[in-house]
Amino acid sequence: GENVEQHPSTLSVQEGDSAVIKCTYSDSASNYFPWYKQELGKRPQLIIDIRSNVGEKKDQRIAVTLNKTAKHFSLHITETQPEDSAVYFCAASIGYSSASKIIFGSGTRLSIRP
Amino acid sequence: SAVISQKPSRDICQRGTSLTIQCQVDSQVTMMFWYRQQPGQSLTLIATANQGSEATYESGFVIDKFPISRPNLTFSTLTVSNMSPEDSSIYLCSVGGTSGREQFFGPGTRLTVL
Repeated sequence: GENVEQHPSTLSVQEGDSAVIKCTYSDSASNYFPWYKQELGKRPQLIIDIRSNVGEKKDQRIAVTLNKTAKHFSLHITETQPEDSAVYFCAASIGYSSASKIIFGSGTRLSIRP
Repeated sequence: SAVISQKPSRDICQRGTSLTIQCQVDSQVTMMFWYRQQPGQSLTLIATANQGSEATYESGFVIDKFPISRPNLTFSTLTVSNMSPEDSSIYLCSVGGTSGREQFFGPGTRLTVL
């Protein structure tokens, strides 16, 4: 089955700097890659996603890139702010609808230093 | 996105007992997913529940330990049976969105087994 690896497990950056989180997946059939943010004591929230027919997607300060050949994808957060502090999970999914199961990476705890 | 509620939000249980967690969605959905999040860990898929059929369990999870019901398109239950302290986790349900591949999570049930 699909396996998603994520690194680093923890990341501390100065406020205003950029943060990058990287993930690899094992199953070349995976075609959907969401990213979730989980604040302490709260549910995971979808922040951005990318499909396999797209190489990059941006949403304000957040961008995700996908390299299908290498089977890796990354989350980039620019101009980091204190509210970006959270645990971030990458994930991968095979299928063509929201009925497809999602497999999660191990998570990255991001801390923003003031 | 769908509005998802879970009951109970938290519970403290004695070992050897069972707890049933409810997940209610405000719209009809094809698939509902149950995840476990152990303390400080990622989300692990327990099973996929399709209305009118047996749930599909992931490797390492069995129906006798985690029976699931899916009586209609807006509701599902997960039972954690014969609990031990190792079952202490947050249990979350998720459902797919209506516009694409995204999935959204319920608020979770925090279970502590003594």
